[in-house]
Amino acid sequence: GAVVSQHPSWVICKSGTSVKIECRSLDFQATTMFWYRQFPKQSLMLMATSNEGSKATYEQGVEKDKFLINHASLTLSTLTVTSAHPEDSSFYICSASDGETQYFGPGTRLLVL
Amino acid sequence: GQQLNQSPQSMFIQEGEDVSMNCTSSSIFNTWLWYKQDPGEGPVLLIALYKAGELTSNGRLTAQFGITRKDSFLNISASIPSDVGIYFCAGQITGANSKLTFGKGITLSVRP
Repeated sequence: GAVVSQHPSWVICKSGTSVKIECRSLDFQATTMFWYRQFPKQSLMLMATSNEGSKATYEQGVEKDKFLINHASLTLSTLTVTSAHPEDSSFYICSASDGETQYFGPGTRLLVL
Repeated sequence: GQQLNQSPQSMFIQEGEDVSMNCTSSSIFNTWLWYKQDPGEGPVLLIALYKAGELTSNGRLTAQFGITRKDSFLNISASIPSDVGIYFCAGQITGANSKLTFGKGITLSVRP
């Protein structure tokens, strides 16, 4: 079946630093990937849609200069949280579409101290 | 924006019981999906529904796409302890490359 991986699975960083999270589709090509954020006991909130070779589309209220997305290949999208602050601490999850179904990665837990 | 309604927030059942979860929307979706999320993991797709009225099964799970395209239900039969988790419904307007709108999820607890 389709597998999506994320790296790292968890990260702790100091306030003000930048953190990069990778999302890979391991056995299929994904022209479209999605980035979500999930706070404790809440649902997944879509942050942005990442299209290979073009600029990401951000949801309302998501700062594109703070959450940089790069989808350089059909199997890799990256999310960089720039100048992270404690309120950015969350569970970040990506999904990748094979054209029929969206498959989710295992998530990355970010803790900003 | 669009929202999917799932309630109650939590459900508690006895092992072996059946449970049904409903998901409603004020607007139409062309695809309905049900996901299960375990703590600290990403959601896993359980069932995808593509046609209004469609009834689909996956083992002990059965889901239906409402004929109005504004609702869906998921039924779990003969529950077991590993059914514990958060169940999310999600809707899509167009194809698989379009964004998903998620419900708030229902936390299911199964008493042995």
